[in-house]
Amino acid sequence: EDQVTQSPEALRLQEGESSSLNCSYTVSGLRGLFWYRQDPGKGPEFLFTLYSAGEEKEKERLKATLTKKESFLHITAPKPEDSATYLCAVRVAGRTDKLIFGTGTRLQVFP
Amino acid sequence: DVKVTQSSRYLVKRTGEKVFLECVQDMDHENMFWYRQDPGLGLRLIYFSYDVKMKEKGDIPEGYSVSREKKERFSLILESASTNQTSMYLCASSFRDIHTGELFFGEGSRLTVL
Repeated sequence: EDQVTQSPEALRLQEGESSSLNCSYTVSGLRGLFWYRQDPGKGPEFLFTLYSAGEEKEKERLKATLTKKESFLHITAPKPEDSATYLCAVRVAGRTDKLIFGTGTRLQVFP
Repeated sequence: DVKVTQSSRYLVKRTGEKVFLECVQDMDHENMFWYRQDPGLGLRLIYFSYDVKMKEKGDIPEGYSVSREKKERFSLILESASTNQTSMYLCASSFRDIHTGELFFGEGSRLTVL
C-alpha cells in the first residue's frame, strides 16, 4: 500500500536553531514530491517540487532534498515567522496517477 | 498571483441540511479540486474537475456532489449534512497536468454540523 509518513509530528525550535523535517514514502512509483506550508486556519501554500533522487531546491531559509526513500526539509536559522505546519505530498504513478498527502509537521519557532 | 477564493470561511449547519460550498479561481486554470482536511488524516480528495461540466470522484466522494458550470467556479454540495462531515474543506486549482502536486489552495471553509 502506498504510504507517506512525516516526522516528527511537532517540533519546537529556538530562533536560530537549525533542524530538519522528514517525509518518508513507500510508493510503487514516484512521479514527484511536493512540499507545502500551511499557516493556522489557512490553506496550504506550495513551496517546492522535487522529481529525482539527489535533487535540491532552496527558498530563503528552507532547503528541500530528495532520496529514493525520503525527503528532508532543512530549516536553517529559523525565525518565528517560519512557524507553520509543513506538509509533503507524493505523486504516485499508476494507471491513473494519484497524489497522497502526509499528515504534516507542526513547527513552532520561539524567539 | 493565483487567487482561489472560498465563499464561506466558517459555517455551522444542522444535520440533514443541504450545504453549498463555493470556490472561484481567477487564473483560468483548467483543473479544480475539493479536499477535506482532518487531524491525523491528511488531505483527502473528494472530487475534481478538469473541464466545465466534467467531474471525477476522488477517494472519498460518498455524501458529496459537485458542480462546475463555469471554468472559474467549482461548488461542493452536501445533500444532507451529517456530523461526520464536520471538517475543514479546501478548494484548489491547477493548470495543465490534472495530477500535478503544484496546487493553489483557497483559505478553507470550516464546516461544523450539529
